[in-house]
Amino acid sequence: GQQLNQSPQSMFIQEGEDVSMNCTSSSIFNTWLWYKQDPGEGPVLLIALYKAGELTSNGRLTAQFGITRKDSFLNISASIPSDVGIYFCAGPFTGGGNKLTFGTGTQLKVEL
Amino acid sequence: DGGITQSPKYLFRKEGQNVTLSCEQNLNHDAMYWYRQDPGQGLRLIYYSQIVNDFQKGDIAEGYSVSREKKESFPLTVTSAQKNPTAFYLCASSQTSGGDADTQYFGPGTRLTVL
Repeated sequence: GQQLNQSPQSMFIQEGEDVSMNCTSSSIFNTWLWYKQDPGEGPVLLIALYKAGELTSNGRLTAQFGITRKDSFLNISASIPSDVGIYFCAGPFTGGGNKLTFGTGTQLKVEL
Repeated sequence: DGGITQSPKYLFRKEGQNVTLSCEQNLNHDAMYWYRQDPGQGLRLIYYSQIVNDFQKGDIAEGYSVSREKKESFPLTVTSAQKNPTAFYLCASSQTSGGDADTQYFGPGTRLTVL
């Protein structure tokens, strides 16, 4: 079945540093979604990507849809304490049903 | 404001009791979903519904039941048959067609603790 592998699993960074994480798939996706989950809350959509090679920004966040359509990257520039949380990638399940396949998540911790 | 609401935020139940978690959306979305999240884990799909009066099992449906009598509501019942019900439960909704069809929007979650 479909699998989404996210790396790194977790990362500790200093405030002000840039962050990069990625998501790879065993199959081709037509859409990539990036969510952020704050502790004890539901995931919030950060960026949606719909086209191979697409590069989309949302404030300090930039995400790219890989040209192979099997990967995506999320970058955060100049991290701040409120960037702490879990970042999930997701893509549509190829079996249909409007379902999503989610990555295992990257936990980001920011040191002041 | 449009969005998804889940209630309550925290729920405690004794072992052996059934409990129903509420999920309501006013986004006019056709599809709704229930996920379970365990500490340090990703999201696992319990049930989903693409249209009123219809729903399908997800990856971990055993011990759970749902109903979809209204478009805006998709309650989840955690039954006594669920062996390990303590978890964080998330509800989501999405369109079923159009450019935004793959994007799911989540509620704030309900943390269920079974004592």
